[in-house]
Amino acid sequence: GNSVTQMEGPVTLSEEAFLTINCTYTATGYPSLFWYVQYPGEGLQLLLKATKADDKGSNKGFEATYRKETTSFHLEKGSVQVSDSAVYFCALSITGTASKLTFGTGTRLQVTL
Amino acid sequence: GAVVSQHPSWVICKSGTSVKIECRSLDFQATTMFWYRQFPKQSLMLMATSNEGSKATYEQGVEKDKFLINHASLTLSTLTVTSAHPEDSSFYICSAVGMEGVIYGYTFGSGTRLTVV
Repeated sequence: GNSVTQMEGPVTLSEEAFLTINCTYTATGYPSLFWYVQYPGEGLQLLLKATKADDKGSNKGFEATYRKETTSFHLEKGSVQVSDSAVYFCALSITGTASKLTFGTGTRLQVTL
Repeated sequence: GAVVSQHPSWVICKSGTSVKIECRSLDFQATTMFWYRQFPKQSLMLMATSNEGSKATYEQGVEKDKFLINHASLTLSTLTVTSAHPEDSSFYICSAVGMEGVIYGYTFGSGTRLTVV
C-alpha cells in the first residue's frame, strides 16, 4: 500500500534558521508528491508539488526535490520567518488518477524571534 | 487558481440534530471530491470519496448512514452529519480535484469546525 512518514514534531526554530522537515514514502505505482501547510483554524493550502523523479517543487522560499532513489521529498527553507509557523503535511497520490491523497502525520513548526 | 469554498466555517448544534456542510468548487469542475475529518493536533482522516452523479465510497469504519455525502453536480458536494452527537465534534475539510487530475494539487476548502453540545 501507500504510506508517508514524516519526522515528528514539534520543530522549534529561531527566525532566520534553516529548516528541514523529512518526508519519506512508499507507493505502489508512480506517485506525485505534495507539501501542504495548515495555519491554525484553517484548511490546507498547497505549498508545492512534484510529479516525477528529480522534479523540484518550490514556493515562498520552500523547496523539495522528488528523490526516487531514496523515496524522499524533504522540505527545506533557507531562512524561516515567524509567519511560517504552521503544521506541514507531506502527501502523495498516484499519478494519472484522481486518487485519494495519503498524508503523513504532519509536523508542527514553531518559529520564534 | 483553483478555489474551493466550504460553508459554514463553524457551526454549533444540539445533540440529535443534523448539520449540512457544503463544499463548492468556484472556478473549475470537480469530478471528484474528498471529505476529511481532523482531530486536534492530528493528521487528516479520509472519510469518503465522491464522484459526481454516483454514490460516495466510504473508508472503512466510517458510518455511511451517519455521514451522508451527496455530489449532485460538478461544483457542489455536501456532507450531512445526521443525528449528531458530541463525539462527532471535529474539524471537517473537503478537497476537490478537477478533470485535469493533479494539476491543481487537490484544492482544499477552509474547513468547518463542528461542535455538538
